[in-house]
Amino acid sequence: GQNIDQPTEMTATEGAIVQINCTYQTSGFNGLFWYQQHAGEAPTFLSYNVLDGLEEKGRFSSFLSRSKGYSYLLLKELQMKDSASYLCAVRDRQAGTALIFGKGTTLSVSS
Amino acid sequence: ETGVTQTPRHLVMGMTNKKSLKCEQHLGHNAMYWYKQSAKKPLELMFVYNFKEQTENNSVPSRFSPECPNSSHLFLHLHTLQPEDSALYLCASSQAITGTEQYFGPGTRLTVT
Repeated sequence: GQNIDQPTEMTATEGAIVQINCTYQTSGFNGLFWYQQHAGEAPTFLSYNVLDGLEEKGRFSSFLSRSKGYSYLLLKELQMKDSASYLCAVRDRQAGTALIFGKGTTLSVSS
Repeated sequence: ETGVTQTPRHLVMGMTNKKSLKCEQHLGHNAMYWYKQSAKKPLELMFVYNFKEQTENNSVPSRFSPECPNSSHLFLHLHTLQPEDSALYLCASSQAITGTEQYFGPGTRLTVT
């Protein structure tokens, strides 16, 4: 089976750096995705990791360690608009083409 | 229009009603998906279509019936739903089923009374 864990809620202040962790257990790992979802809106794609290491994209970076079943999303220079839910999702060969999503981490950024 | 659109955005229906949700993607993608998002639960995949053919049905009750007439359109037909089916229903598309990014529509907020 598959299992994805991420913290339920996090808080941070503007200008700070926050790291959202995600741990997963899968039978046939085939990629990890991070999505951002603002309240009442569709999830939007942030990053994709399939090999170990860090992928950087502007203020956002995502890290993957396949041996540890671990990923994190790093958000730098936080802005109020970064307040959203961040969804970790894993593609598992055993689950076909499906993305298996975690419950999401709600990030609140305050001034 | 661009991206993935869904109609209606909000729907309230009784348990004996029949309604349909519509999804349209303007991205030229070949794969389309239905997801269910309930409060405090992860996004759950319901159905996958690849080149109009259903490739996955994630043990979804038969009261949900998908239809994919072409690669750009996806429907979810609803009948005799239960209150626990109230949720946000999200449509997504990707270039291929093994593609990386899935692009999501804004969702239909469904309330079953």
